[in-house]
Amino acid sequence: QKEVEQNSGPLSVPEGAIASLNCTYSDRVSQSFFWYRQYSGKSPELIMSIYSNGDKEDGRFTAQLNKASQYVSLLIRDSQPSDSATYLCAASPNSGYALNFGKGTSLLVTP
Amino acid sequence: EAQVTQNPRYLITVTGKKLTVTCSQNMNHEYMSWYRQDPGLGLRQIYYSMNVEVTDKGDVPEGYKVSRKEKRNFPLILESPSPNQTSLYFCASSLLFRPSLPKNIQYFGAGTRLSVL
Repeated sequence: QKEVEQNSGPLSVPEGAIASLNCTYSDRVSQSFFWYRQYSGKSPELIMSIYSNGDKEDGRFTAQLNKASQYVSLLIRDSQPSDSATYLCAASPNSGYALNFGKGTSLLVTP
Repeated sequence: EAQVTQNPRYLITVTGKKLTVTCSQNMNHEYMSWYRQDPGLGLRQIYYSMNVEVTDKGDVPEGYKVSRKEKRNFPLILESPSPNQTSLYFCASSLLFRPSLPKNIQYFGAGTRLSVL
C-alpha cells in the first residue's frame, strides 16, 4: 500500500512564528515529493517540490527530504494568517505525474 | 493562460440520473486524472489517462467511467449516480517526463461540487 501519512491537525501557530508540517511515506520507490496548499473548497496549489535529500528553500518556505527515514517536511517562516489552509503532502514514484496524497494537515495562524 | 477547466462547478442531481463532468486542458498534457475529495479521506484518485485512448483505474473507480478520445478532454461519467458519490471532484493534468524539462507539475481544475439526492 502506497501510503502518505500526515497529522491531520489542526496545527495552530501565532503570526510570525515558524510552522512545521511533517509527512511520512511508505513507498520506498518514491522519487518526487510535493507540498500543496488548499484553501477550503478550492483546488490544491503547488507550493514546493523536492527530489533530493536535504533542504530546498523558496521564499518563506523550506522543504526538507530524508529518503532514508522516508520523511518530508515543510517549514513556513514568518507565518501569516493568509497561510491558514490545509497542506497536502504528495509522493510520486516517477517524475510527478502520478501522485499519492496524504490526507492533509490543517494549519491555523492566529493574529 | 495555462489552465484546466472543469464544468459544471456545482451540480445537484438525483439518484440514477446520468451525468457528465467535463475537463479540458490547454497545455498539451499527456497525463490527466480525476480525484474526489471527501472530509477526512483526502484526495483519492478515481481514474487516470496516460494518453489518448489509454485509461486506467485509480483507487476508487467504482461507479465512474471516463473516456479520452482527444488529448485535451477527459470527461468523468456517472452512469447512475448515488448519494455516496456526493463529493468535491478535481480534474488534473501534467506532462509525462521529458529529460529536457524540469520535473512535472500537476495542474488542477477549480473543482466540481456534486450533490446527489
